[in-house]
Amino acid sequence: GENVEQHPSTLSVQEGDSAVIKCTYSDSASNYFPWYKQELGKGPQLIIDIRSNVGEKKDQRIAVTLNKTAKHFSLHITETQPEDSAVYFCAAQNAGGTSYGKLTFGQGTILTVHP
Amino acid sequence: NAGVTQTPKFRILKIGQSMTLQCTQDMNHNYMYWYRQDPGMGLKLIYYSVGAGITDKGEVPNGYNVSRSTTEDFPLRLELAAPSQTSVYFCASTYLGQNTEAFFGQGTRLTVV
Repeated sequence: GENVEQHPSTLSVQEGDSAVIKCTYSDSASNYFPWYKQELGKGPQLIIDIRSNVGEKKDQRIAVTLNKTAKHFSLHITETQPEDSAVYFCAAQNAGGTSYGKLTFGQGTILTVHP
Repeated sequence: NAGVTQTPKFRILKIGQSMTLQCTQDMNHNYMYWYRQDPGMGLKLIYYSVGAGITDKGEVPNGYNVSRSTTEDFPLRLELAAPSQTSVYFCASTYLGQNTEAFFGQGTRLTVV
């Protein structure tokens, strides 16, 4: 089955700096890669996703890049703000056949943005 | 629009007790999922359902059971609770299944002592 590795496990930055979180996946059939943000005491919430037919996607201060050959994808947050502090999860999905929307998650990254 | 609602938010169980974690969604989603979240381990899929009356095992189903009698509800049953089931449980739903956003509930924090 699919295996997703996420690094780093914790990341501390100063407000205004950039933050990068990296994930690798093992199943070359995976073709959908969402990123979720989990604030304290809440469930994960989708912040951005990318499909395997594109290499990069951007939404304001957040961007995701995908390298299918190397089987890794990354989340980039620019101009970080204290409200970006949360746990971030990457995930992978084989969006076809009998996947039925099942997601394989990375271990999570605790991002702390210091004012 | 409530989205995905889980109850209870917190629960302490004694070893060997049973309980049902409730999950309901009001988005008319066919696909529903139960994940557990352990520290430093990400989320692991327990069970999922592609529609009323249809359920299947995920990655870590042992010690759990589910049912899906309606589109809205997807309860998770723990029989004979064990300390290894101490975790945070999340219910989620999607509209199309693959390739679309999963909506999560706020979670149930379960401690088995």
